[in-house]
Amino acid sequence: DAMVIQNPRYQVTQFGKPVTLSCSQTLNHNVMYWYQQKSSQAPKLLFHYYDKDFNNEADTPDNFQSRRPNTSFCFLDIRSPGLGDAAMYLCATSSASLFRVKATNEKLFFGSGTQLSVL
Amino acid sequence: AQKITQTQPGMFVQEKEAVTLDCTYDTSDPSYGLFWYKQPSSGEMIFLIYQGSYDQQNATEGRYSLNFQKARKSANLVISASQLGDSAMYFCAMRGMNYGGATNKLIFGTGTLLAVQP
Repeated sequence: DAMVIQNPRYQVTQFGKPVTLSCSQTLNHNVMYWYQQKSSQAPKLLFHYYDKDFNNEADTPDNFQSRRPNTSFCFLDIRSPGLGDAAMYLCATSSASLFRVKATNEKLFFGSGTQLSVL
Repeated sequence: AQKITQTQPGMFVQEKEAVTLDCTYDTSDPSYGLFWYKQPSSGEMIFLIYQGSYDQQNATEGRYSLNFQKARKSANLVISASQLGDSAMYFCAMRGMNYGGATNKLIFGTGTLLAVQP
């Protein structure tokens, strides 16, 4: 009954080797988020999609890109992973109103995350 | 700027006892929402409870209740009758809405690791 699915659960990549993390959802939510969570730290928003509109956070490095080919899928691409990019990457979804008005009570549904290791 | 502070890195509680996890926040937004999420070792962030800044009553969801003290800018989570399955990381989070009606992103505190002992 998983609603937000992240694959793989664990991903190992080499320094500088591009890697893609995937997220899919069965909730038909129009908003999808990617968070980075380093050990013992708070999750940090990287970017989100509002339908097909991409919204990047100002402090997200250019090394991080995202694609959303359809409502159900969203990908996180790390073009040249560095050792500092080792972290848990969390995908989340939410449903915002027809007029793109988010409310303070907008609830996020998270996947189980992908733990990325960079060797 | 918005900020969430969780001052308890870790907590122990005996099974069946109640526990309070602290959360304070800072915001200049006139309206905001406060959330608590649970993150077990499996990694998934699970929504527990929500409190709106204009809600008249403190939120409750089963064994979870939120002790909201607006003047003190605190939103503590109370878990009653702790169970072994409550052992997890707990995150307090906030989303604000400015005077123009635009909402800010959801920001998280650094979390509290709760261990329930038999």
